[in-house]
Amino acid sequence: KNEVEQSPQNLTAQEGEFITINCSYSVGISALHWLQQHPGGGIVSLFMLSSGKKKHGRLIATINIQEKHSSLHITASHPRDSAVYICAVGRGSQGNLIFGKGTKLSVKP
Amino acid sequence: DAGVIQSPRHEVTEMGQEVTLRCKPISGHDYLFWYRQTMMRGLELLIYFNNNVPIDDSGMPEDRFSAKMPNASFSTLKIQPSEPRDSAVYFCASKATAPGTIIYFGEGSWLTVV
Repeated sequence: KNEVEQSPQNLTAQEGEFITINCSYSVGISALHWLQQHPGGGIVSLFMLSSGKKKHGRLIATINIQEKHSSLHITASHPRDSAVYICAVGRGSQGNLIFGKGTKLSVKP
Repeated sequence: DAGVIQSPRHEVTEMGQEVTLRCKPISGHDYLFWYRQTMMRGLELLIYFNNNVPIDDSGMPEDRFSAKMPNASFSTLKIQPSEPRDSAVYFCASKATAPGTIIYFGEGSWLTVV
């Protein structure tokens, strides 16, 4: 079993829909990261969180440490949100990251 | 700042050749990471440095892979000899020490070994 599991693997939505991507992990972590990878390959860090909730524009990330679960929400989705969203957990003070397999999101106009 | 800079962006090489990938981290960042991404295995950490010192190289697949960080502004990942199964996208990333700081990725080096 992978240490970091994401669901769903693929997600298609209509423009304007509210989107949720889930991440569960089975190891102790120091922080959880949400990353975005666009076609063409570049990776951008969206959030790093160790507790509670963070918001940036239309993106919201939450984490429940007790349940070892995090969610990434996108409000009012737009075709430019189409990308692969990757959950990664960090171990140790700065340590390495263990990555989920990613969720491929496609937002149709 | 220009961000994390990697070169080359794309490389096609023949099996058995030496490949050198280069990375310039963001100025002031204390941590540098090399990751590999393949369709089968996704993203995996190969090695990371703190203040130019290798901390964890347990992800380096085998002795054909080596990485160096001679100074705070430059790192290399070398594969010698290269094999077709090394074909992947190799990402360099850097991070500052301060708590709560995010990790910054380069654009990646797309390697094809034929």
